[in-house]
Amino acid sequence: DTAVSQTPKYLVTQMGNDKSIKCEQNLGHDTMYWYKQDSKKFLKIMFSYNNKELIINETVPNRFSPKSPDKAHLNLHINSLELGDSAVYFCASSHTGGNEQFFGPGTRLTVL
Amino acid sequence: DQQVKQNSPSLSVQEGRISILNCDYTNSMFDYFLWYKKYPAEGPTFLISISSIKDKNEDGRFTVFLNKSAKHLSLHIVPSQPGDSAVYFCAASEGGGSQGNLIFGKGTKLSVKP
Repeated sequence: DTAVSQTPKYLVTQMGNDKSIKCEQNLGHDTMYWYKQDSKKFLKIMFSYNNKELIINETVPNRFSPKSPDKAHLNLHINSLELGDSAVYFCASSHTGGNEQFFGPGTRLTVL
Repeated sequence: DQQVKQNSPSLSVQEGRISILNCDYTNSMFDYFLWYKKYPAEGPTFLISISSIKDKNEDGRFTVFLNKSAKHLSLHIVPSQPGDSAVYFCAASEGGGSQGNLIFGKGTKLSVKP
């Protein structure tokens, strides 16, 4: 069973479109994260949710909106996609106060 | 400004020898450090961590050393195996890692040759 899963794995879309990436974890964790790995390979945190509440928002444009329907899911909605949004997006989860984060396989987003 | 730096983008080692991956950090508030391993088309996988109250942590073939005065840590893999070939990310955190805000380095690609 996959611990942290993301769908889709690949996403190719046009500029200006709105898209969503889904994330689910079956580890019983109560904290979930979204990271962006850009073309320079830096892995940077975007958001963190604990028990469905936002606890970290790292200067991400408001075109990006995370939504957590329950603590096992943290979806990422992106409006008005731009070329610079092309990257690999990773979802992760951990226990509250846990030092180790478990990552999903990533979603490669390409904006044309 | 990079707070966590991995200055070697790649490292090639012979099977059976020691691999040493280095990481430097600038933020003296960091008190928890982690190493992640990443294969192509997969997410990073936690490997080993160390708290700033320690200077060494060992887990099987993997040992992490922390030098707080130099703001430097290293990951030693011995003996290296071909399956260790991957990208290794160093990460750091404040608050003992409990705040969830991991700052990652750019990664070092390790190639272990048979």
